[in-house]
Amino acid sequence: AQTVTQSQPEMSVQEAETVTLSCTYDTSESDYYLFWYKQPPSRQMILVIRQEAYKQQNATENRFSVNFQKAAKSFSLKISDSQLGDAAMYFCAYRSAAYGQNFVFGPGTRLSVLP
Amino acid sequence: ETGVTQSPTHLIKTRGQQVTLRCSSQSGHNTVSWYQQALGQGPQFIFQYYREEENGRGNFPPRFSGLQFPNYSSELNVNALELDDSALYLCASSLAVAGGPDEQYFGPGTRLTVT
Repeated sequence: AQTVTQSQPEMSVQEAETVTLSCTYDTSESDYYLFWYKQPPSRQMILVIRQEAYKQQNATENRFSVNFQKAAKSFSLKISDSQLGDAAMYFCAYRSAAYGQNFVFGPGTRLSVLP
Repeated sequence: ETGVTQSPTHLIKTRGQQVTLRCSSQSGHNTVSWYQQALGQGPQFIFQYYREEENGRGNFPPRFSGLQFPNYSSELNVNALELDDSALYLCASSLAVAGGPDEQYFGPGTRLTVT
């Protein structure tokens, strides 16, 4: 079974600075997808960024980028120019490329943004 | 295009009772997944419905059951409630496409408290 680990229960960053959230996963599969979701106090899970395992190029979405190291099974999220609205729980998630498979989530990292 | 909606927002039940939670999927989506998120943890997969059939199940007992209707909305039923069932229940809808990343869109969740 796949597992996802987030070793940082809490992180903080100064507004306008850069922060990196860590995620590692364990799988024997070669084809899969990785995601970062954000869950603000409103509870709604919001997709931040997605990475296909077969792509070597790291995904980027505006201020959010990932460092995907397939051999090391590492998938970190970098948030640049942090904003107060970035404060939330961040979950790393794995999904097999096999049809019908569901997400396996990590335990989350709570990010605080300091003004 | 409407997003994923869930009802009710909050619910308080007594141990041993039964509860039904509801989810309306995003327009055009044919798959609904349910997750249980205990306080301070990542979501755990309960089950998934695709075109009214259960299409995968996590490690949850049979007292957790579900339905999907022809309009792709869904219900989660929990019988014989236990205190440990207290959690945020998330519904996510997606459009299942073979070989695709099957991106899931989450609803705001139902907070269930069992006393």
